Amino acid sequence: DGGITQSPKYLFRKEGQNVTLSCEQNLNHDAMYWYRQDPGQGLRLIYYSQIVNDFQKGDIAEGYSVSREKKESFPLTVTSAQKNPTAFYLCASSLELYGYTFGSGTRLTVV
Amino acid sequence: GENVEQHPSTLSVQEGDSAVIKCTYSDSASNYFPWYKQELGKGPQLIIDIRSNVGEKKDQRIAVTLNKTAKHFSLHITETQPEDSAVYFCAASKNSGGSNYKLTFGKGTLLTVNP
Repeated sequence: DGGITQSPKYLFRKEGQNVTLSCEQNLNHDAMYWYRQDPGQGLRLIYYSQIVNDFQKGDIAEGYSVSREKKESFPLTVTSAQKNPTAFYLCASSLELYGYTFGSGTRLTVV
Repeated sequence: GENVEQHPSTLSVQEGDSAVIKCTYSDSASNYFPWYKQELGKGPQLIIDIRSNVGEKKDQRIAVTLNKTAKHFSLHITETQPEDSAVYFCAASKNSGGSNYKLTFGKGTLLTVNP
């Protein structure tokens, strides 16, 4: 079955540590996105990529980095520069504008 | 950039009643308006969408209406069931020559359907 897979489902980060969240899709979608979800804040765009080897900052990119070396993969690194990383992170993909498909999310907690 | 406002933030209805969630957008060039349903601990799922060339779209118990002049669109759920309980998000975007893929989301509405 085609879909988008995020891993891990739960992740714990120590202060000052970088962590990487995985996102893989087998839908042959061109575009991929990372959103952050906080209670009462909706979905806020971190980074997005329309094609391989190209990506753009979203509304809240500070403290995050991404890469797009393969069409299927769009990993997100939460760096130590992100001061409040505890949140639910959602990856999505789309074929052109319409019809985002979301993954099931990664819940990141700072310990 | 685009700004999407969504109301109400919480909505509680009795099973069998209707539920309406409303959104407004700021960019008159926006032409695509999807609605997503998110269950606890899961990613959002697309339930219905509408493009700016139509005013209404219906799929079984779910309908969406669009008023381009007033820049608002609404989700209507009829004959609500307990399994409709979830967070609902509206979103808006514009397709400017295939180069803009970003959706701007509202802050969500927590719908609770009481049996």
